[in-house]
Amino acid sequence: KAGVTQTPRYLIKTRGQQVTLSCSPISGHRSVSWYQQTPGQGLQFLFEYFSETQRNKGNFPGRFSGRQFSNSRSEMNVSTLELGDSALYLCASSLAGQNGYTFGSGTRLTVV
Amino acid sequence: GESVGLHLPTLSVQEGDNSIINCAYSNSASDYFIWYKQESGKGPQFIIDIRSNMDKRQGQRVTVLLNKTVKHLSLQIAATQPGDSAVYFCAENIEGNNNDMRFGAGTRLTVKP
Repeated sequence: KAGVTQTPRYLIKTRGQQVTLSCSPISGHRSVSWYQQTPGQGLQFLFEYFSETQRNKGNFPGRFSGRQFSNSRSEMNVSTLELGDSALYLCASSLAGQNGYTFGSGTRLTVV
Repeated sequence: GESVGLHLPTLSVQEGDNSIINCAYSNSASDYFIWYKQESGKGPQFIIDIRSNMDKRQGQRVTVLLNKTVKHLSLQIAATQPGDSAVYFCAENIEGNNNDMRFGAGTRLTVKP
């Protein structure tokens, strides 16, 4: 079966712009989590969605938001981009919030 | 705050040798742990997991050891191969806590031919 698909793979944006990243989980998986990965901070939890509801949220500013659709696909949005938002954004899915994520390959966001 | 941490940021081993990657965790409530492998340009890949009611679990060429007394986790890779070169992360979770996994900083494993 297909894995977790993230689009786009690479993105370059200018400071102040906004961006939307997409994640399609493994078929049947209802939980989708988002992580930000940077060399300095490592993997940091952004938020988790299950059945279109945000169940858990990390310590990121309100500029970072997300949503999940009825087909479990998820998007995350970052508004008013800052240089420090440059990172690899990873999406991971699991069956029902159970342990053992499957990660996508990520979206590499560069803010210039 | 409580966090997951790694003892060594880099590890270099000879092909064929065994590798041991260590991880310390501080949240005594954590009861589920996972090791991930991340190769360049890819997302983390699940290697092996262990629950707190166990102290050892074996997979194919990998073994995870859990010492709850000192809050220490290790990943042992037998007969390390060049394809094992990657960054390895440990992650902790409180089972049932909505998948809020906390990851360590990662250890870069380099396998020398």
